Amino acid sequence: DSGVTQTPKHLITATGQRVTLRCSPRSGDLSVYWYQQSLDQGLQFLIQYYNGEERAKGNILERFSAQQFPDLHSELNLSSLELGDSALYFCASSPPGTTNSPLHFGNGTRLTVT
Amino acid sequence: GENVEQHPSTLSVQEGDSAVIKCTYSDSASNYFPWYKQELGKRPQLIIDIRSNVGEKKDQRIAVTLNKTAKHFSLHITETQPEDSAVYFCAAREGSYIPTFGRGTSLIVHP
Repeated sequence: DSGVTQTPKHLITATGQRVTLRCSPRSGDLSVYWYQQSLDQGLQFLIQYYNGEERAKGNILERFSAQQFPDLHSELNLSSLELGDSALYFCASSPPGTTNSPLHFGNGTRLTVT
Repeated sequence: GENVEQHPSTLSVQEGDSAVIKCTYSDSASNYFPWYKQELGKRPQLIIDIRSNVGEKKDQRIAVTLNKTAKHFSLHITETQPEDSAVYFCAAREGSYIPTFGRGTSLIVHP
């Protein structure tokens, strides 16, 4: 167990809908990263938050948004869903103020858009 | 920005053979190189990492080598077992910047 908690594990929804994915980082970690992994694809970086503030942005669509709350949990909001948004969404966290540290991944949320 | 190339994309070996996966990176400032193993439908898990002040690191059947001059690093798995079958990702990171991942290598170990 990595200590990173993601809910829900599975999500099935229809095109055009909106969903929220939730992530709680490891105790003590301040950074949260969101990744998208489509079938047989690599890990696409979406966005990073550090202690409540957006730190870095990757190839995140405008239909997607995220935030990190004062208790450090993070939510990824996906709206106007399309079939192509079906993927595994991973959250990862890393310790504060450290360099050269690994990311610890949660078990992911599998999103299926029908 | 950093660019990480990973080869091969698929590697098929017989149980007991060795497997080698290679990655190259573009940014000479990168100084941390983790390797992750991802089993089907599961999360990527860190299996070994190396920092730029070290040329080689070993953990049982797994080893990683780093050549900073050539900007490449490799994962070596000896005496492969069927449970080693998974997708392996390399990554390169500079300090606290976002790590850049390779596209992954699907390792298949045939019993």
